[in-house]
Amino acid sequence: DVKVTQSSRYLVKRTGEKVFLECVQDMDHENMFWYRQDPGLGLRLIYFSYDVKMKEKGDIPEGYSVSREKKERFSLILESASTNQTSMYLCASSLGASDTQYFGPGTRLTVL
Amino acid sequence: QKEVEQNSGPLSVPEGAIASLNCTYSDRVSQSFFWYRQYSGKSPELIMSIYSNGDKEDGRFTAQLNKASQYVSLLIRDSQPSDSATYLCALGGGADGLTFGKGTHLIIQP
Repeated sequence: DVKVTQSSRYLVKRTGEKVFLECVQDMDHENMFWYRQDPGLGLRLIYFSYDVKMKEKGDIPEGYSVSREKKERFSLILESASTNQTSMYLCASSLGASDTQYFGPGTRLTVL
Repeated sequence: QKEVEQNSGPLSVPEGAIASLNCTYSDRVSQSFFWYRQYSGKSPELIMSIYSNGDKEDGRFTAQLNKASQYVSLLIRDSQPSDSATYLCALGGGADGLTFGKGTHLIIQP
């Protein structure tokens, strides 16, 4: 069965802190994605990766970076958290770029 | 840039009736189309995928695709209160993954 896990369901951080969100998939998928979701704005793509060590900017990469050192793991990094990064963060993976995306449970991040 | 349009709702449907959700898109080269369901506070989960023109049925759900008119729809028969959720339409065809609509909020009234 398809499984995407995220390191935390809820996270509270202070402004200026460095924040790591981790995502792991066990489906041997090539593609992995990080989104944030805010009321009224839908899913917005932050970064995606189509292979190990490869990354591409999505629609809203500012203030974020990513790391993919292993195929199954894709990390999202907030270099210096700000209050406007309070959001639900969703990780997804897919075999091909246009294939079904499978989502993790999400991390609700609050930056105070 | 691909655009996916959905009516945000809320769409209110009586229990037992047919719920009809619609999605239009701008990109003619899209090849794959998806419907996801998202409960409040949860992550999206796949309901159906459709790749060819016509209808595809899975239980109470039917997806309809018309590439010439650039729309895809989802019908939910015998709607249940547990169907109350936000439904996201998504299409694929580019190297950057799927393009998602903002979703339609569906409410099934008991």
